[in-house]
Amino acid sequence: GAVVSQHPSRVICKSGTSVKIECRSLDFQATTMFWYRQFPKKSLMLMATSNEGSKATYEQGVEKDKFLINHASLTLSTLTVTSAHPEDSSFYICSARNQETQYFGPGTRLLVL
Amino acid sequence: GEDVEQSLFLSVREGDSSVINCTYTDSSSTYLYWYKQEPGAGLQLLTYIFSNMDMKQDQRLTVLLNKKDKHLSLRIADTQTGDSAIYFCADGGGGNKLTFGTGTQLKVEL
Repeated sequence: GAVVSQHPSRVICKSGTSVKIECRSLDFQATTMFWYRQFPKKSLMLMATSNEGSKATYEQGVEKDKFLINHASLTLSTLTVTSAHPEDSSFYICSARNQETQYFGPGTRLLVL
Repeated sequence: GEDVEQSLFLSVREGDSSVINCTYTDSSSTYLYWYKQEPGAGLQLLTYIFSNMDMKQDQRLTVLLNKKDKHLSLRIADTQTGDSAIYFCADGGGGNKLTFGTGTQLKVEL
Protein backbone atom coordinates (compact mmCIF):
# COMPACT_ATOMS: atom_id res chain seq x y z
CA GLY A 1 0.00 0.00 0.00
CA ALA A 2 0.89 3.66 -0.18
CA VAL A 3 3.18 5.13 2.47
CA VAL A 4 2.57 8.30 4.44
CA SER A 5 5.07 9.67 6.93
CA GLN A 6 4.73 12.23 9.70
CA HIS A 7 7.37 14.24 11.47
CA PRO A 8 7.98 14.56 14.33
CA SER A 9 6.51 11.47 15.95
CA ARG A 10 6.56 13.10 19.38
CA VAL A 11 6.95 16.69 20.49
CA ILE A 12 6.90 18.40 23.85
CA CYS A 13 6.64 22.16 23.89
CA LYS A 14 6.02 25.01 26.29
CA SER A 15 2.68 26.76 26.43
CA GLY A 16 2.56 29.71 24.04
CA THR A 17 4.97 28.31 21.47
CA SER A 18 4.10 27.07 17.98
CA VAL A 19 4.64 23.56 16.68
CA LYS A 20 4.79 22.44 13.07
CA ILE A 21 3.90 18.89 12.02
CA GLU A 22 4.74 17.59 8.56
CA CYS A 23 2.83 14.99 6.59
CA ARG A 24 4.39 13.48 3.47
CA SER A 25 3.13 11.01 0.90
CA LEU A 26 6.26 9.06 0.02
CA ASP A 27 5.32 7.08 -3.07
CA PHE A 28 2.36 8.88 -4.57
CA GLN A 29 1.11 12.38 -5.18
CA ALA A 30 -1.77 13.56 -3.06
CA THR A 31 -3.84 16.54 -4.08
CA THR A 32 -5.87 16.08 -0.93
CA MET A 33 -4.63 15.39 2.57
CA PHE A 34 -6.54 15.34 5.82
CA TRP A 35 -5.69 16.25 9.40
CA TYR A 36 -7.31 14.43 12.29
CA ARG A 37 -7.12 14.70 16.03
CA GLN A 38 -7.58 11.74 18.32
CA PHE A 39 -8.20 11.87 22.05
CA PRO A 40 -7.32 8.89 24.26
CA LYS A 41 -9.58 5.92 23.63
CA LYS A 42 -11.65 7.94 21.18
CA SER A 43 -12.29 7.93 17.48
CA LEU A 44 -10.69 10.27 14.98
CA MET A 45 -12.03 13.78 14.63
CA LEU A 46 -11.52 15.38 11.24
CA MET A 47 -10.04 18.84 11.69
CA ALA A 48 -9.53 19.97 8.12
CA THR A 49 -9.09 18.98 4.51
CA SER A 50 -5.88 20.20 2.95
CA ASN A 51 -5.97 20.89 -0.78
CA GLU A 52 -2.79 21.39 -2.79
CA GLY A 53 -2.49 24.94 -4.02
CA SER A 54 -5.57 26.26 -2.27
CA LYS A 55 -6.87 27.06 1.18
CA ALA A 56 -7.72 24.30 3.59
CA THR A 57 -11.31 23.52 4.43
CA TYR A 58 -11.88 23.44 8.18
CA GLU A 59 -14.52 21.48 10.02
CA GLN A 60 -17.00 23.27 12.20
CA GLY A 61 -15.53 24.28 15.54
CA VAL A 62 -11.89 24.10 14.42
CA GLU A 63 -10.10 27.45 14.67
CA LYS A 64 -8.34 28.14 11.38
CA ASP A 65 -6.09 30.78 12.92
CA LYS A 66 -4.91 28.37 15.57
CA PHE A 67 -4.38 25.35 13.34
CA LEU A 68 -2.62 26.64 10.23
CA ILE A 69 -2.49 24.26 7.29
CA ASN A 70 -0.26 24.60 4.27
CA HIS A 71 -0.26 22.18 1.33
CA ALA A 72 2.47 23.62 -0.83
CA SER A 73 3.27 20.55 -2.90
CA LEU A 74 1.64 17.31 -4.01
CA THR A 75 3.56 15.34 -1.38
CA LEU A 76 3.66 17.64 1.64
CA SER A 77 1.11 19.19 3.97
CA THR A 78 1.96 20.91 7.24
CA LEU A 79 -0.11 21.62 10.31
CA THR A 80 1.10 24.37 12.63
CA VAL A 81 -0.42 24.59 16.08
CA THR A 82 0.03 28.24 17.00
CA SER A 83 0.31 29.52 20.56
CA ALA A 84 -0.15 26.02 21.88
CA HIS A 85 -1.91 25.43 25.19
CA PRO A 86 -2.15 22.29 27.34
CA GLU A 87 -5.63 21.57 25.95
CA ASP A 88 -4.04 21.20 22.50
CA SER A 89 -2.17 18.14 23.75
CA SER A 90 -3.36 15.27 21.63
CA PHE A 91 -2.49 12.73 18.96
CA TYR A 92 -2.55 14.32 15.52
CA ILE A 93 -2.84 12.03 12.49
CA CYS A 94 -2.71 12.95 8.84
CA SER A 95 -3.89 11.00 5.86
CA ALA A 96 -3.37 11.32 2.14
CA ARG A 97 -5.89 10.35 -0.47
CA ASN A 98 -4.79 8.00 -3.25
CA GLN A 99 -7.65 7.24 -5.64
CA GLU A 100 -10.48 5.80 -3.52
CA THR A 101 -8.47 5.24 -0.36
CA GLN A 102 -6.98 7.29 2.45
CA TYR A 103 -3.62 6.19 3.77
CA PHE A 104 -2.66 7.33 7.24
CA GLY A 105 0.55 8.56 8.75
CA PRO A 106 1.89 7.12 12.01
CA GLY A 107 0.69 10.10 14.02
CA THR A 108 2.33 12.83 16.11
CA ARG A 109 1.96 12.90 19.86
CA LEU A 110 1.90 16.53 21.05
CA LEU A 111 2.32 17.40 24.70
CA VAL A 112 2.05 21.04 25.72
CA LEU A 113 3.38 21.86 29.16
CA GLY B 1 -24.91 14.15 9.51
CA GLU B 2 -23.56 10.68 8.91
CA ASP B 3 -23.23 8.34 11.84
CA VAL B 4 -21.17 5.17 12.18
CA GLU B 5 -21.61 2.89 15.19
CA GLN B 6 -19.54 0.01 16.52
CA SER B 7 -19.52 -2.01 19.69
CA LEU B 8 -16.70 -0.93 21.98
CA PHE B 9 -15.15 -4.22 23.02
CA LEU B 10 -14.70 -7.76 21.77
CA SER B 11 -12.78 -10.53 23.48
CA VAL B 12 -11.92 -13.82 21.77
CA ARG B 13 -9.65 -16.77 22.34
CA GLU B 14 -6.62 -17.29 20.17
CA GLY B 15 -7.50 -19.44 17.18
CA ASP B 16 -11.18 -18.52 17.21
CA SER B 17 -12.84 -16.25 14.66
CA SER B 18 -13.57 -12.63 15.51
CA VAL B 19 -16.50 -10.75 14.06
CA ILE B 20 -16.58 -6.98 14.40
CA ASN B 21 -19.79 -5.25 13.43
CA CYS B 22 -20.54 -1.76 12.20
CA THR B 23 -23.67 0.12 11.21
CA TYR B 24 -23.81 3.32 9.23
CA THR B 25 -26.48 5.77 8.16
CA ASP B 26 -25.20 7.35 4.95
CA SER B 27 -27.07 5.80 2.04
CA SER B 28 -24.73 7.44 -0.49
CA SER B 29 -21.66 5.53 0.70
CA THR B 30 -19.43 4.47 -2.16
CA TYR B 31 -16.75 2.59 -0.26
CA LEU B 32 -16.57 1.24 3.27
CA TYR B 33 -13.28 0.65 5.01
CA TRP B 34 -11.72 -1.23 7.87
CA TYR B 35 -8.67 0.20 9.60
CA LYS B 36 -6.54 -1.25 12.41
CA GLN B 37 -4.85 0.87 15.05
CA GLU B 38 -2.24 -0.50 17.41
CA PRO B 39 -1.34 1.45 20.59
CA GLY B 40 0.42 4.74 19.86
CA ALA B 41 0.34 4.19 16.10
CA GLY B 42 -1.51 5.52 13.12
CA LEU B 43 -4.20 3.69 11.21
CA GLN B 44 -3.40 0.77 8.95
CA LEU B 45 -5.77 0.11 6.09
CA LEU B 46 -6.87 -3.52 6.30
CA THR B 47 -9.41 -3.76 3.53
CA TYR B 48 -12.26 -1.97 1.87
CA ILE B 49 -15.36 -2.88 -0.06
CA PHE B 50 -17.20 -1.16 -2.85
CA SER B 51 -20.82 -0.51 -2.03
CA ASN B 52 -22.19 -2.71 -4.82
CA MET B 53 -20.42 -5.78 -3.42
CA ASP B 54 -21.79 -8.12 -0.78
CA MET B 55 -18.59 -9.79 0.26
CA LYS B 56 -14.86 -9.47 -0.06
CA GLN B 57 -12.29 -11.96 1.16
CA ASP B 58 -8.61 -11.26 1.65
CA GLN B 59 -6.63 -14.05 3.32
CA ARG B 60 -7.89 -14.23 6.93
CA LEU B 61 -10.20 -11.26 6.50
CA THR B 62 -13.78 -11.43 5.23
CA VAL B 63 -15.91 -8.33 4.84
CA LEU B 64 -19.67 -8.66 4.56
CA LEU B 65 -21.86 -5.78 3.49
CA ASN B 66 -25.62 -5.65 3.84
CA LYS B 67 -26.45 -2.44 2.07
CA LYS B 68 -30.18 -2.71 2.74
CA ASP B 69 -29.59 -2.78 6.49
CA LYS B 70 -26.49 -0.55 6.28
CA HIS B 71 -24.51 -3.16 8.16
CA LEU B 72 -20.84 -3.98 7.67
CA SER B 73 -18.84 -6.70 9.36
CA LEU B 74 -15.23 -7.81 9.49
CA ARG B 75 -14.45 -11.42 10.22
CA ILE B 76 -10.92 -12.38 11.22
CA ALA B 77 -10.29 -16.09 10.94
CA ASP B 78 -7.84 -17.88 13.26
CA THR B 79 -7.39 -14.78 15.42
CA GLN B 80 -3.88 -14.32 16.80
CA THR B 81 -2.51 -12.24 19.67
CA GLY B 82 -1.03 -9.88 17.10
CA ASP B 83 -4.56 -9.04 16.01
CA SER B 84 -5.20 -7.31 19.34
CA ALA B 85 -5.86 -3.68 18.43
CA ILE B 86 -8.62 -1.18 17.87
CA TYR B 87 -10.56 -1.66 14.65
CA PHE B 88 -12.33 1.24 13.01
CA CYS B 89 -14.87 1.03 10.27
CA ALA B 90 -15.17 4.11 8.10
CA ASP B 91 -17.80 5.25 5.70
CA GLY B 92 -16.55 6.89 2.52
CA GLY B 93 -19.71 8.71 1.61
CA GLY B 94 -19.99 11.58 -0.78
CA GLY B 95 -16.85 13.56 -1.43
CA ASN B 96 -13.43 12.90 0.04
CA LYS B 97 -14.31 12.64 3.70
CA LEU B 98 -14.36 9.55 5.84
CA THR B 99 -16.70 9.18 8.77
CA PHE B 100 -15.21 6.90 11.40
CA GLY B 101 -16.93 4.62 13.82
CA THR B 102 -16.17 4.69 17.50
CA GLY B 103 -13.69 1.84 17.20
CA THR B 104 -13.86 -1.71 18.58
CA GLN B 105 -11.13 -2.83 20.95
CA LEU B 106 -10.30 -6.45 20.13
CA LYS B 107 -8.60 -8.43 22.86
CA VAL B 108 -7.21 -11.84 22.02
CA GLU B 109 -6.71 -14.15 24.97
CA LEU B 110 -4.51 -17.22 25.10
